[in-house]
Amino acid sequence: AQRVTQPEKLLSVFKGAPVELKCNYSYSGSPELFWYVQYSRQRLQLLLRHISRESIKGFTADLNKGETSFHLKKPFAQEEDSAMYYCALENYGGATNKLIFGTGTLLAVQP
Amino acid sequence: KAGVTQTPRYLIKTRGQQVTLSCSPISGHRSVSWYQQTPGQGLQFLFEYFSETQRNKGNFPGRFSGRQFSNSRSEMNVSTLELGDSALYLCASSLALTTPLNNEQFFGPGTRLTVL
Repeated sequence: AQRVTQPEKLLSVFKGAPVELKCNYSYSGSPELFWYVQYSRQRLQLLLRHISRESIKGFTADLNKGETSFHLKKPFAQEEDSAMYYCALENYGGATNKLIFGTGTLLAVQP
Repeated sequence: KAGVTQTPRYLIKTRGQQVTLSCSPISGHRSVSWYQQTPGQGLQFLFEYFSETQRNKGNFPGRFSGRQFSNSRSEMNVSTLELGDSALYLCASSLALTTPLNNEQFFGPGTRLTVL
């Protein structure tokens, strides 16, 4: 079964603390993994994707095929990072843009 | 350039009615996907259109349908509304279907549908 699991509904950290948002996936083909973010009262937007290997707003994520994980990390959290984060996967190179989303993790960064 | 737009932004209907939601993709984008977002089920894929053809469909009943026009604008229709159809319906557009260079999806603000 194709599935994305985000085990934490809420993650609360203090400003300056490290952050790790967990994401595990189950997929039979070759997946492309993404992290999307939704700030308060804003639309869902792409944060990063594994194939680009970029660091966006200080966030990084490494695809671990052995552990089927794509955890999102940031060494020092900022208050403006508070948002809803969704992990998602897509069939890499397939003739579809269908995204399978996890249930999301609400990150709350306390001052 | 302008982002993905969705109309209307809010809608209230009663059970048994039908509803049509509209999505205008970013200029030049040919792929449009629809998602349903609810607190209980999260974000679930409804369907995907490319060049006026439905390319993929999620696991939703036949009451949910959609189409895409020659200008890439898309509509989705829900007939015989049920209370459980209350949700935020999101539309996303991308340049094309495949390859990492042109399949980034840009989301609209959504249409909030409430069924009473």
